[in-house]
Amino acid sequence: EDQVTQSPEALRLQEGESSSLNCSYTVSGLRGLFWYRQDPGKGPEFLFTLYSAGEEKEKERLKATLTKKESFLHITAPKPEDSATYLCAVQAETWQAGTALIFGKGTTLSVSS
Amino acid sequence: DAGVIQSPRHEVTEMGQEVTLRCKPISGHDYLFWYRQTMMRGLELLIYFNNNVPIDDSGMPEDRFSAKMPNASFSTLKIQPSEPRDSAVYFCASRATGLADQPQHFGDGTRLSIL
Repeated sequence: EDQVTQSPEALRLQEGESSSLNCSYTVSGLRGLFWYRQDPGKGPEFLFTLYSAGEEKEKERLKATLTKKESFLHITAPKPEDSATYLCAVQAETWQAGTALIFGKGTTLSVSS
Repeated sequence: DAGVIQSPRHEVTEMGQEVTLRCKPISGHDYLFWYRQTMMRGLELLIYFNNNVPIDDSGMPEDRFSAKMPNASFSTLKIQPSEPRDSAVYFCASRATGLADQPQHFGDGTRLSIL
């Protein structure tokens, strides 16, 4: 069964304290792995798409990496405004193009000043 | 550019009442998705459309749920009759077709409470 597991469920950091969020997945062929950010009361906001092992994407203090079994979202020198829930989702190779994603339950990040 | 627009943002109603949630996708997007988010189960796909045609409704929990897309700029998700276990945040998302997989863009959701 295709599934996505994110860890930890919650993470508290001090401003400037770098860390990583994990997304492990089991799918029958990966078409794409997506990272989203979700703020309270808002919908998920797209961050990155990764397609193949070894690929990396960066945006400001965030860097996403991908292996054959997992993805990491590295947060360097976080600021309080990085506080949010980060969601990982996968699309399998065997599904039709446009099929919805399978989401993990997310990691809630809190950054204090 | 306007994003995905959902209405209402909040809905509180009594068990047994009909509930209609509305979604306007991003102009030019030909895929539309309805999701439900709960603490226990996270984000789950309910149904998706391509060019206004329902493609996969296997996530619709039961016959009380129905969805329509009468044109490219409007979709509804209806629950009749509603039950307390339907309480959740319902999201609509849209995406464009492209050579590479395009990301889905989400609205800000409808928070539904069934009393």
